[in-house]
Amino acid sequence: DVKVTQSSRYLVKRTGEKVFLECVQDMDHENMFWYRQDPGLGLRLIYFSYDVKMKEKGDIPEGYSVSREKKERFSLILESASTNQTSMYLCASSPRTGGFYEQYFGPGTRLTVT
Amino acid sequence: DQQVKQNSPSLSVQEGRISILNCDYTNSMFDYFLWYKKYPAEGPTFLISISSIKDKNEDGRFTVFLNKSAKHLSLHIVPSQPGDSAVYFCAASVGYYGGATNKLIFGTGTLLAIQP
Repeated sequence: DVKVTQSSRYLVKRTGEKVFLECVQDMDHENMFWYRQDPGLGLRLIYFSYDVKMKEKGDIPEGYSVSREKKERFSLILESASTNQTSMYLCASSPRTGGFYEQYFGPGTRLTVT
Repeated sequence: DQQVKQNSPSLSVQEGRISILNCDYTNSMFDYFLWYKKYPAEGPTFLISISSIKDKNEDGRFTVFLNKSAKHLSLHIVPSQPGDSAVYFCAASVGYYGGATNKLIFGTGTLLAIQP
């Protein structure tokens, strides 16, 4: 079974703090993704990575950065947290070789910025 | 600009009846479509998919229909069970026939409630 884990289920941070969200997958997948889920807006792609040290902006990258130093780990960084970044953050991974594969999601991190 | 739209935020269906969830898209380049199911406090899980060369795909109680001319897909669940109560997201992708990134565009979700 594919397993995607996220470092925290719930996180509370103050405005202006630097926040790190970690994601680890154990299936040797090339692709990894960060989304945020908000009511009425669905899942929106923040950043994705198709290889180590590679990253591409998604639909809403402003205020975020990412790091992928190892294949299994993809980190989302909020440089200076703001209240409008309060959301559910979901990490996903998928293989890249041959055909199309569904993405496998972690359990999510509920981040509250006060 | 929402490329994938789920116009019904919620749907209530009686146990044992058919649930029909709808999804519309605007980008004619989409060639692969998926449905995901999400319980509260869990990540979405893959349910069923369909490529653009097909118009129907079945997996047990779940069937997805694709109408390319109308840019519309639907998920049918028959019979509906209490455990089907969840948020359902449709998603679309470009690149099934040669893409590399498996990037998905998600809809806004429909909350399905199965009434006993």
